[in-house]
Amino acid sequence: KNEVEQSPQNLTAQEGEFITINCSYSVGISALHWLQQHPGGGIVSLFMLSSGKKKHGRLIATINIQEKHSSLHITASHPRDSAVYICAVIRRETSGSRLTFGEGTQLTVNP
Amino acid sequence: DADVTQTPRNRITKTGKRIMLECSQTKGHDRMYWYRQDPGLGLRLIYYSFDVKDINKGEISDGYSVSRQAQAKFSLSLESAIPNQTALYFCATSASGTGAHEQYFGPGTRLTVT
Repeated sequence: KNEVEQSPQNLTAQEGEFITINCSYSVGISALHWLQQHPGGGIVSLFMLSSGKKKHGRLIATINIQEKHSSLHITASHPRDSAVYICAVIRRETSGSRLTFGEGTQLTVNP
Repeated sequence: DADVTQTPRNRITKTGKRIMLECSQTKGHDRMYWYRQDPGLGLRLIYYSFDVKDINKGEISDGYSVSRQAQAKFSLSLESAIPNQTALYFCATSASGTGAHEQYFGPGTRLTVT
């Protein structure tokens, strides 16, 4: 079993829909990243959080440390949100900022 | 200009050839990382370096070596490439110091070994 599990693996939505991607992890962490990978391959960090909730534009990330669970929400989805969304954790026992990654969620938003 | 650059962006090579992938950063970060991405497996850590004199193996270092030539440069070498090293390779950087730090990724190098 992977230490970082994401669901769903694939998600198709219509423009304007509210989207939720989930991430569960089985290890103690110091922080969690949400990353976005566009079809061209480049990876961009969306959020890094260790508690509570963060919001940036139409994106909201939440984390529940006790339940070892994080969610990424996209409000009013748009075709340009189509990408792979990757959850990654910084394990508490590792030094520095080394990441352990989930396999990613492929999101397709249709017009 | 991009903060983290990788060269080449695409490379096709033959089995047994030596290949070097280069990464440069202008963020002034001490920490640098090399990852590979395979479909269905996600990203995995190959090597990481916390400063010029510090090199550490990651999860999948066999068949790879690295060189940290300067704070801004971190190169990944495949001494004798094999087909199962075909993958998308990413370099990343982060700041140093206590606590967790955000990572910044390069654009990736698509490597095909035939």
